[in-house]
Amino acid sequence: NAGVTQTPKFRVLKTGQSMTLLCAQDMNHEYMYWYRQDPGMGLRLIHYSVGEGTTAKGEVPDGYNVSRLKKQNFLLGLESAAPSQTSVYFCASSWGGNQPQHFGDGTRLSIL
Amino acid sequence: GENVEQHPSTLSVQEGDSAVIKCTYSDSASNYFPWYKQELGKGPQLIIDIRSNVGEKKDQRIAVTLNKTAKHFSLHITETQPEDSAVYFCAASIGVSGGYNKLIFGAGTRLAVHP
Repeated sequence: NAGVTQTPKFRVLKTGQSMTLLCAQDMNHEYMYWYRQDPGMGLRLIHYSVGEGTTAKGEVPDGYNVSRLKKQNFLLGLESAAPSQTSVYFCASSWGGNQPQHFGDGTRLSIL
Repeated sequence: GENVEQHPSTLSVQEGDSAVIKCTYSDSASNYFPWYKQELGKGPQLIIDIRSNVGEKKDQRIAVTLNKTAKHFSLHITETQPEDSAVYFCAASIGVSGGYNKLIFGAGTRLAVHP
């Protein structure tokens, strides 16, 4: 009954460091998404995937990369972290693009 | 680009009153409109959704209305309770290349229900 699981839940990085955020879903969903949430700006789509082995850019893709090597996993990478990437990151999954999305509980990332 | 505007950004009501949150969208081809509730420290949770072939949908104290002509949709919460306090997001589907769809979210409404 896990749904969408994100790891880690919290992380502090220094400028220039790299890291990977992990997202796993156990609902056999085709679509997966990475969003960032900043105060007053709602949820902005970073990258998404419509199936295993596919990725596409969302609204704010710069500075991030993603991979979907397995259907159940969607990884978000920051190659060289910048303070502007301090945010709460949410992963979601769904059967299709106009179907309900199921969200994880987020990763709170601070970059100093 | 396509966008979704949500109003108000904050809403304060007394317990038992009704609350209404409104959203407008720009893409006339949008056909799916979900509403999410986000509690502190949690991810958004779907509370109700509506598709473009329906004008209204109700689930207990929550209802959503859709006006396709005006391109706006609204969330109505009746008999509000303190546990309704949260941030609410609306969203609208838009088409992308390859025949796929994705969601565009509004900026959110922080609802506070006072006992």
